[in-house]
Amino acid sequence: DQQVKQNSPSLSVQEGRISILNCDYTNSMFDYFLWYKKYPAEGPTFLISISSIKDKNEDGRFTVFLNKSAKHLSLHIVPSQPGDSAVYFCGAFGNEKLTFGTGTRLTIIP
Amino acid sequence: EAQVTQNPRYLITVTGKKLTVTCSQNMNHEYMSWYRQDPGLGLRQIYYSMNVEVTDKGDVPEGYKVSRKEKRNFPLILESPSPNQTSLYFCASSFSWGATEAFFGQGTRLTVV
Repeated sequence: DQQVKQNSPSLSVQEGRISILNCDYTNSMFDYFLWYKKYPAEGPTFLISISSIKDKNEDGRFTVFLNKSAKHLSLHIVPSQPGDSAVYFCGAFGNEKLTFGTGTRLTIIP
Repeated sequence: EAQVTQNPRYLITVTGKKLTVTCSQNMNHEYMSWYRQDPGLGLRQIYYSMNVEVTDKGDVPEGYKVSRKEKRNFPLILESPSPNQTSLYFCASSFSWGATEAFFGQGTRLTVV
C-alpha cells in the first residue's frame, strides 16, 4: 500500500518557467513532508521540508505547499534552471519512519 | 566533511553467498536507516535504527539483517542473497528520529546472479 504517491513519473519544463511537482499521501498522521533531489550515481539530497502545521515554506527558488484537507503537497521551482534536471522524491515522516514516493524525473529544456 | 559512506559502491555476487554492505557516518547522528531503490517503486525503507542496539523493521525487511553496535556504523547483511534483492541500496542518517533532514550515502548497486 503506497502511502505516498507521485503520479507523474516524468515532467519536462522550459528553462526559466515554473516547474510544479505533485505528491499525494494517504496517512493523516504524517508530521513532516520533505522533498529530496537525486542526480544519477549520487544519493538523494535534502531540498526543502514543511511541517504538517504549516501550509507553505519557501527557500529561494523552491516553495513547498501543503494542502492537508486534500492530502496533497507540491513543490514549485521558479525559475527552472538546467541544473534542476534530476529525480525528485517526495517524502513523509511519521511513526518513526520516512516514507518516499516513487519519484518524478524533471527535465529542464534549455 | 560531514558524510555518509557506503561500501562497496558496486557488487556482483551469486545467489546464497552472504554479503555485508557497510555504512558509516561522521556526524554523530542517532538515526540511521537503509533503503532500496527499484524502478517504479521509489525508495523503500528496509530497516532503521534510532540508536545503538535499537533497530526495527521498515517496509521491506525480508531477507535482510542489520546491527547497530556503534553509533557511527550500521551495516546491512544479506545472509543468503537472491536475485530479487538486486537493487540500488542507500544508507541514510539524521540527527534524531524526529529530524526532518536525512543525509544519504552515494549508494551501493548490488547485482545477485
